[in-house]
Amino acid sequence: GESVGLHLPTLSVQEGDNSIINCAYSNSASDYFIWYKQESGKGPQFIIDIRSNMDKRQGQRVTVLLNKTVKHLSLQIAATQPGDSAVYFCAENMEGQNFVFGPGTRLSVLP
Amino acid sequence: DTAVSQTPKYLVTQMGNDKSIKCEQNLGHDTMYWYKQDSKKFLKIMFSYNNKELIINETVPNRFSPKSPDKAHLNLHINSLELGDSAVYFCASTQWGSLPFFGQGTRLTVV
Repeated sequence: GESVGLHLPTLSVQEGDNSIINCAYSNSASDYFIWYKQESGKGPQFIIDIRSNMDKRQGQRVTVLLNKTVKHLSLQIAATQPGDSAVYFCAENMEGQNFVFGPGTRLSVLP
Repeated sequence: DTAVSQTPKYLVTQMGNDKSIKCEQNLGHDTMYWYKQDSKKFLKIMFSYNNKELIINETVPNRFSPKSPDKAHLNLHINSLELGDSAVYFCASTQWGSLPFFGQGTRLTVV
């Protein structure tokens, strides 16, 4: 059924600014985390991942930060572009279990 | 080459009908999934198949039945469709424990 009570957070940023998308995960035993990007009409696509033995990982224009103490994950996008407009999901995983997805955040890039 | 492909992309049908959505992956993965995404973009896992055996069946109605003729295919059959079944359904595949790759989704509208 519907995700009653949940809403899709929205983040609006100016083109060229940096974006920070946050995610609170639920399981302190989770040891693998992924960020996905879902553009309109498409399926989620992998952006970057991080394992629990790290607290930071960088990709091309993206950085993921992991704070295990407060069970918080963030995705930083540098110099945000119109093509970055999408819904972003974090997903957590514990070995042997399925991935659990967060509720998603819609990123809107303003011209 | 499409890694995970679903058909159809759009499906409009009347209440009470029975329909199927097909999924194929050419990644050689051993695990396939079906996810349901509601209007608030929340992704919920429905089923997963590992080596042709159902290993997770989340609390979905038994009107939904996954069928896997071989390791590369996982179809979703839905009986007696209801209005609340309207959603986007995503197929995904993974090598167990690794990150899931998603198809482009099937938008199901029940009228």
